[in-house]
Amino acid sequence: AQSVTQPDIHITVSEGASLELRCNYSYGATPYLFWYVQSPGQGLQLLLKYFSGDTLVQGIKGFEAEFKRSQSSFNLRKPSVHWSDAAEYFCAVAPGGDDKIIFGKGTRLHILP
Amino acid sequence: DTAVSQTPKYLVTQMGNDKSIKCEQNLGHDTMYWYKQDSKKFLKIMFSYNNKELIINETVPNRFSPKSPDKAHLNLHINSLELGDSAVYFCASRQAEGEQFFGPGTRLTVL
Repeated sequence: AQSVTQPDIHITVSEGASLELRCNYSYGATPYLFWYVQSPGQGLQLLLKYFSGDTLVQGIKGFEAEFKRSQSSFNLRKPSVHWSDAAEYFCAVAPGGDDKIIFGKGTRLHILP
Repeated sequence: DTAVSQTPKYLVTQMGNDKSIKCEQNLGHDTMYWYKQDSKKFLKIMFSYNNKELIINETVPNRFSPKSPDKAHLNLHINSLELGDSAVYFCASRQAEGEQFFGPGTRLTVL
């Protein structure tokens, strides 16, 4: 069965430091891949997506993610975090054109001043 | 313009009551979803409708009944509410193989 793993439940980084959030998926072919962010009390907002082509994807708010087929990973990165980046981050996969999108359990990002 | 809207934003009710949550999208998408987010932030898909037709029905108690009067609306009716139903419910929509757009959520509290 398809699955998405975000191994880090919580991550704490200092403001201005770099960030990498991990995501691994389990699926036979290359799925569609997404990263969403959820600020406290808000809905989910799409940060970026990968369907095909260039494996380094640029998103909003200075985020990027790299698809690595050999590692079945789609890690999210940001070179310098801001206090406003504190939120819950969800990795998600959609197997091909399937209507179902499977979400990871999320990583809560804390920012130290 | 709000893309995916839900009403109400907050819902507090007693055990055993019946309640509905409404969802509307103005994006022209064919597919709509309901998700439940528990206190640990885990997002679990409940239902998916494509052009008013039920596509996905995960193992959800039959007290939960979705209704899609047209492809822009997907409502969720819950009968005989239980304490464990307390959660945030998100509606989402999607077109073809694109990303999902989420509503702001409805926080349901069952007392």
